[in-house]
Amino acid sequence: GENVEQHPSTLSVQEGDSAVIKCTYSDSASNYFPWYKQELGKGPQLIIDIRSNVGEKKDQRIAVTLNKTAKHFSLHITETQPEDSAVYFCAASIIIQGAQKLVFGQGTRLTINP
Amino acid sequence: GAVVSQHPSRVICKSGTSVKIECRSLDFQATTMFWYRQFPKQSLMLMATSNEGSKATYEQGVEKDKFLINHASLTLSTLTVTSAHPEDSSFYICSARDYTYEQYFGPGTRLTVT
Repeated sequence: GENVEQHPSTLSVQEGDSAVIKCTYSDSASNYFPWYKQELGKGPQLIIDIRSNVGEKKDQRIAVTLNKTAKHFSLHITETQPEDSAVYFCAASIIIQGAQKLVFGQGTRLTINP
Repeated sequence: GAVVSQHPSRVICKSGTSVKIECRSLDFQATTMFWYRQFPKQSLMLMATSNEGSKATYEQGVEKDKFLINHASLTLSTLTVTSAHPEDSSFYICSARDYTYEQYFGPGTRLTVT
């Protein structure tokens, strides 16, 4: 089945610097890759996603890149701000017995230092 | 963006009792809803997938008689934890999806069984 590996598990950057989180997946049939931000005690919030027919997508300070050949995708946050501090999860979509499911990475705890 | 609500946000119950958690999609019709469980500092673990009007599909290792799921309408799914035990204490999160790939999460319910 699909396996999603996420690195690093923790990341600390200075405010204003960029942060990059990387994920790899195993199932070449995966075609949808969302990223979620989870703040303490809250549910995950969809922040950006990318489909397999696109190599890069950007939304203001957030961008995601996808390399289908290498089966990895990355989240890039530029000009980081303290409110970016949270746990970030990547996910890959798979189809099992006709049902679409998300397989999540282990999460990255991002801390932005003022 | 799409909004998913959960109720209650926190619940404390005694061992042996049952607890019902509601998940609602507020501004879209959810053809599929998912229930996840999350332990502290860990990723999301899919428990079951439910489609409106049909029986839920449970992940391996999840007891269907213990975690009863009902998806009676396109905007409401419920999870009932029956005969709760302290080991059932966790953060339960639902998510909902319409006909697209995007999956939106609720704010979560923290269950504590004493």
